[in-house]
Amino acid sequence: DTAVSQTPKYLVTQMGNDKSIKCEQNLGHDTMYWYKQDSKKFLKIMFSYNNKELIINETVPNRFSPKSPDKAHLNLHINSLELGDSAVYFCASGRGERDNEQFFGPGTRLTVL
Amino acid sequence: AQKVTQAQTEISVVEKEDVTLDCVYETRDTTYYLFWYKQPPSGELVFLIRRNSFDEQNEISGRYSWNFQKSTSSFNFTITASQVVDSAVYFCALSGTNAGKSTFGDGTTLTVKP
Repeated sequence: DTAVSQTPKYLVTQMGNDKSIKCEQNLGHDTMYWYKQDSKKFLKIMFSYNNKELIINETVPNRFSPKSPDKAHLNLHINSLELGDSAVYFCASGRGERDNEQFFGPGTRLTVL
Repeated sequence: AQKVTQAQTEISVVEKEDVTLDCVYETRDTTYYLFWYKQPPSGELVFLIRRNSFDEQNEISGRYSWNFQKSTSSFNFTITASQVVDSAVYFCALSGTNAGKSTFGDGTTLTVKP
């Protein structure tokens, strides 16, 4: 059973388009995250949700909008895609307490042309 | 503010060599947690270990060992007798007062050559 799943795995699109990445976890965790990993492998947190509520928003442009319909899902919608949005996006989940490790999805490689 | 520094961007060793990946952190919290994650070439991120700020005991798991020293704010990771399968990007992370948020270092890319 996949613990944290993301779809799609690859996403190639044109500048200016709007796209969504879906994430689901079946671990029963209360907290979910989105991370962006750039071409240099730097991993930066974008958002964190706890029980469907936003708790962390790391100065991400407004074009990025997370949506959490329930605590098992955290989707990422991106409007007006730009070249600089090309990266690998990782979803993760955890129990939310600071001593808990995070479980990561397989990543979505977004390429904006 | 929290900060994690992994000064070694890339390390290359030959199989069977021992290698240490450095991690230095900054935090004002008195209680905090440190983590190491591994990202092999396949891309997934895998949790390796967690250590809390009150437990300075070193930990060994097979060929992996971790050395936590509060005095130097370091949480270093040593791989003994490295193998090609150890080739990966390794991330050190810190979690403090802000529950649910971990600050990641920039990662160290380890290449183990046969």
